[in-house]
Amino acid sequence: GAGVSQSPRYKVTKRGQDVALRCDPISGHVSLYWYRQALGQGPEFLTYFNYEAQQDKSGLPNDRFSAERPEGSISTLTIQRTEQRDSAMYRCASAAGTVTSEAFFGQGTRLTVV
Amino acid sequence: AQSVTQLGSHVSVSEGALVLLRCNYSSSVPPYLFWYVQYPNQGLQLLLKYTSAATLVKGINGFEAEFKKSETSFHLTKPSAHMSDAAEYFCAVSPAGGTSYGKLTFGQGTILTVHP
Repeated sequence: GAGVSQSPRYKVTKRGQDVALRCDPISGHVSLYWYRQALGQGPEFLTYFNYEAQQDKSGLPNDRFSAERPEGSISTLTIQRTEQRDSAMYRCASAAGTVTSEAFFGQGTRLTVV
Repeated sequence: AQSVTQLGSHVSVSEGALVLLRCNYSSSVPPYLFWYVQYPNQGLQLLLKYTSAATLVKGINGFEAEFKKSETSFHLTKPSAHMSDAAEYFCAVSPAGGTSYGKLTFGQGTILTVHP
């Protein structure tokens, strides 16, 4: 597609429910990144993939968070047993994968846990 | 380890005035440095980046930034503010080289307000 697409744009869920957030990167982009942005803060790195391989998941806050990119394109970030502290904007970015390639960000998914 | 500090969470200028948004970084390895802009309900957009070439970097919309290693700074400037520049600005750092170019550490952001 023309840009990085994230869905849904807004998600309200009840505490304890599982949620899946989707990221569709720019076609052909090798690298895909997930970030979380709390209100009034900058984005915080969660995890990233090159192709289908998860290269770094050091930013995932705990084992309720997981991500996959099974075919090296679309990625899903899953949060199990959501808690109110998980409420944030979740942003996805993709990059061509060369050393100096720019990361392009999607519009994000606003998650609210009630 | 890397970190970014943006001095001033809110900056207000008059239209036509100089814009100066401050960013200081900490990095144990040579960094790449970035400024992103975020308009309401939109994704982050890259304004400019420093990747170890020229220390004065020009970006889109008339913005520029200068990498000063001795001061560990990468301040963003624009000579004359326009109403359309009102947005939130983020400074970010990543380790130079490697394949984790998009693994960015962001500052907390600076909201720029432009008064007519």
